Amino acid sequence: GQQVMQIPQYQHVQEGEDFTTYCNSSTTLSNIQWYKQRPGGHPVFLIQLVKSGEVKKQKRLTFQFGEAKKNSSLHITATQTTDVGTYFCAGQGNSGGSNYKLTFGKGTLLTVNP
Amino acid sequence: DTGVSQNPRHKITKRGQNVTFRCDPISEHNRLYWYRQTLGQGPEFLTYFQNEAQLEKSRLLSDRFSAERPKGSFSTLEIQRTEQGDSAMYLCASSNRVTGTQYFGPGTRLTVL
Repeated sequence: GQQVMQIPQYQHVQEGEDFTTYCNSSTTLSNIQWYKQRPGGHPVFLIQLVKSGEVKKQKRLTFQFGEAKKNSSLHITATQTTDVGTYFCAGQGNSGGSNYKLTFGKGTLLTVNP
Repeated sequence: DTGVSQNPRHKITKRGQNVTFRCDPISEHNRLYWYRQTLGQGPEFLTYFQNEAQLEKSRLLSDRFSAERPKGSFSTLEIQRTEQGDSAMYLCASSNRVTGTQYFGPGTRLTVL
């Protein structure tokens, strides 16, 4: 079945440093969704990428979707303490039978030292 | 608040007891999903409804688990004869189309003693 790998598992940065997490799917995706989960919280939707090679920005966050629609990345510029949490990528498949469920990576836990 | 809501937020039960969780999706969303999340892992898909029809159940969902969405609105997830391995966060999500964004509720954290 479809698998989504995400690295790194943990990242600790000093406030102001940049951060990147990478996501790779074993199969071509219909789209990829990114979520942020604060400690003790639930996944909160950040963005959805649909088109091959798509790049989207949200303030200090930059999201990319690979040309082959199998990989993606999230880059945060100049991290702040409010960025702390686990960032998950979640892919939706491209085959008719199971193109509704999200397959999540294990997430990257970001901690920021003030 | 028009987001996804779940009740209860926390449930502590003894092994062997039955538990039931409720999810109220965003009102205009006809698709509803249940996921399970354990510590340090991403959410794992359990089951999916389009309106009142349950279209898929994951192999993770043993015979002790049953989910319903009787009128195509709220959904319930029941676990019978709970086991310690059932301890997890149970998340509900909803969307308005197949490849649409899934919005998650706050989850129900189950602890089985």
